[in-house]
Amino acid sequence: EPEVTQTPSHQVTQMGQEVILRCVPISNHLYFYWYRQILGQKVEFLVSFYNNEISEKSEIFDDQFSVERPDGSNFTLKIRSTKLEDSAMYFCASRTGLNTEAFFGQGTRLTVV
Amino acid sequence: AQTVTQSQPEMSVQEAETVTLSCTYDTSESDYYLFWYKQPPSRQMILVIRQEAYKQQNATENRFSVNFQKAAKSFSLKISDSQLGDAAMYFCAYSSALGNQGGKLIFGQGTELSVKP
Repeated sequence: EPEVTQTPSHQVTQMGQEVILRCVPISNHLYFYWYRQILGQKVEFLVSFYNNEISEKSEIFDDQFSVERPDGSNFTLKIRSTKLEDSAMYFCASRTGLNTEAFFGQGTRLTVV
Repeated sequence: AQTVTQSQPEMSVQEAETVTLSCTYDTSESDYYLFWYKQPPSRQMILVIRQEAYKQQNATENRFSVNFQKAAKSFSLKISDSQLGDAAMYFCAYSSALGNQGGKLIFGQGTELSVKP
């Protein structure tokens, strides 16, 4: 069964460092998303990506964040200068259309120290 | 802006019994989708059930069913014959059907379900 794959599963980084979280969405999917979940809290939308451009982003997704789909398969989230409050679980998701299920990856736990 | 509210932070059910998790939402849109996702301790997000707002019939998936009340903006999840494996955090989520919204999911705060043997 096809699945969304995220790497790494856990990353520890020092405050101020850049991190890149990687995702391989399901191959025939057209809509891509990043969400984050701070421990014990709800899942929050960060950004949606369609047709090689950002279609929507939340207030959380400020200039420190960027997304790329460099090669038609990977979908990356970059945080330029991490802060302690960026510590969270980051989920990638993809779907074929707006009326279909979003499939989630297993998440990347980011710990900023 | 759309919002999703789950007013039950925690629920408990006896194995083999039935439990209902509540969800309400707020939107001015007439066409949208509603979902229940399960998040076990592994923290993987797993779709449990989905409902299209234009469908009056309540969705059902095996032991899982919803009570969708569009006028009341209510979308509750009923789990019948609860099993130990049902223990997880359950999130209600909303997604607009409008193309310019990008299809993001808006999640509720979650309900932690425990199942007692």
